[in-house]
Amino acid sequence: GQNIDQPTEMTATEGAIVQINCTYQTSGFNGLFWYQQHAGEAPTFLSYNVLDGLEEKGRFSSFLSRSKGYSYLLLKELQMKDSASYLCAVIDSNYQLIWGAGTKLIIKP
Amino acid sequence: GAVVSQHPSWVICKSGTSVKIECRSLDFQATTMFWYRQFPKQSLMLMATSNEGSKATYEQGVEKDKFLINHASLTLSTLTVTSAHPEDSSFYICSARGGREVEQYFGPGTRLTVT
Repeated sequence: GQNIDQPTEMTATEGAIVQINCTYQTSGFNGLFWYQQHAGEAPTFLSYNVLDGLEEKGRFSSFLSRSKGYSYLLLKELQMKDSASYLCAVIDSNYQLIWGAGTKLIIKP
Repeated sequence: GAVVSQHPSWVICKSGTSVKIECRSLDFQATTMFWYRQFPKQSLMLMATSNEGSKATYEQGVEKDKFLINHASLTLSTLTVTSAHPEDSSFYICSARGGREVEQYFGPGTRLTVT
């Protein structure tokens, strides 16, 4: 079966750095997305990785290792507004988006 | 970036009635549209995938006669919740994908409350 694992909840301090991990086992791989979702709102796109390595975009970076079936989202200089759920999603061989359950990130002052 | 709209943003209806939710791609042609449902504190659950001009493909456990999906044009898909029950109360989100793109662009969601 297809499976995406990410921690259920994480807590971090304002101004700090946090890394949210995602491991996946899917039938084929055509890329991995990270989305941010605030409560009561639809997901918003953060990053897309299809090749191994680190993609940096401002305070957010995303890393992918296809051989390990592993990705992480790195958030720097955390702000209170970063409190949200972070969803990892993989595109499988049928171009279907397989979703993780999401990681709820709580930022404390 | 590409913009997807949904209407209405929220709706309250009585049990037994039907509700239609619209999803529009505003600045691109959406060859494929997806409908998701999300219950509180849970992840997105894909309900169905629809390609323009063809019947929707429903995920296991989703009743196609209850959740009617129409993707009549490259910019519009509709989800109709028929004979709504309180357990259908949820956050319904559509997304759209164009051509050979892999990214899905999400609408803002519709919060449905059935009383």
